[in-house]
Amino acid sequence: EDKVVQSPLSLVVHEGDTVTLNCSYEVTNFRSLLWYKQEKKAPTFLFMLTSSGIEKKSGRLSSILDKKELFSILNITATQTGDSAIYLCAVEANTDKLIFGTGTRLQVFP
Amino acid sequence: GAVVSQHPSWVICKSGTSVKIECRSLDFQATTMFWYRQFPKQSLMLMATSNEGSKATYEQGVEKDKFLINHASLTLSTLTVTSAHPEDSSFYICSATPQPYQPQHFGDGTRLSIL
Repeated sequence: EDKVVQSPLSLVVHEGDTVTLNCSYEVTNFRSLLWYKQEKKAPTFLFMLTSSGIEKKSGRLSSILDKKELFSILNITATQTGDSAIYLCAVEANTDKLIFGTGTRLQVFP
Repeated sequence: GAVVSQHPSWVICKSGTSVKIECRSLDFQATTMFWYRQFPKQSLMLMATSNEGSKATYEQGVEKDKFLINHASLTLSTLTVTSAHPEDSSFYICSATPQPYQPQHFGDGTRLSIL
């Protein structure tokens, strides 16, 4: 059975801290891995990763994929209160379906 | 680009009522749209894949007669929750992608509360 596991489930940090969110997967016919940020409404797209070892970066956020070890990490440096959200990892198989992990709830306090 | 709009954003209705939720791709055409359900403090679970001009494909455990999906045009898919009951209360979200191998983009979701 396909599955995506995220850790930690919850994280509480102070502004300025750096955090690393983890995502491991076991999915047949892997095509890509995606990271989304979910605040009060629907998820907003962050990164799409298809190749191992190539870091994707957007401002203070970065992500990388390891297809041999079947995991990805999402790093956020110099966290701000606006980074507080649920971060979802999803894996897309050749069927176009997204399989989501349970998410990591990040809370950043001033 | 790649904007997905969902309507309504919030519905409260009595048990036994049928509720229709619309999902529109505003600036692209989508032959396929996806419907998800998210219960509190849980992740998104795929309910069904909506295919333009043909029948939807439902995930295991999702009742096709209860969750009717219609994808009559390349920019609109609808999900109708028939004879809704309190256990159907959830956050329903749709998604679509403008092209194959591109990220899925999500609508803002519909919070459904059945009294």
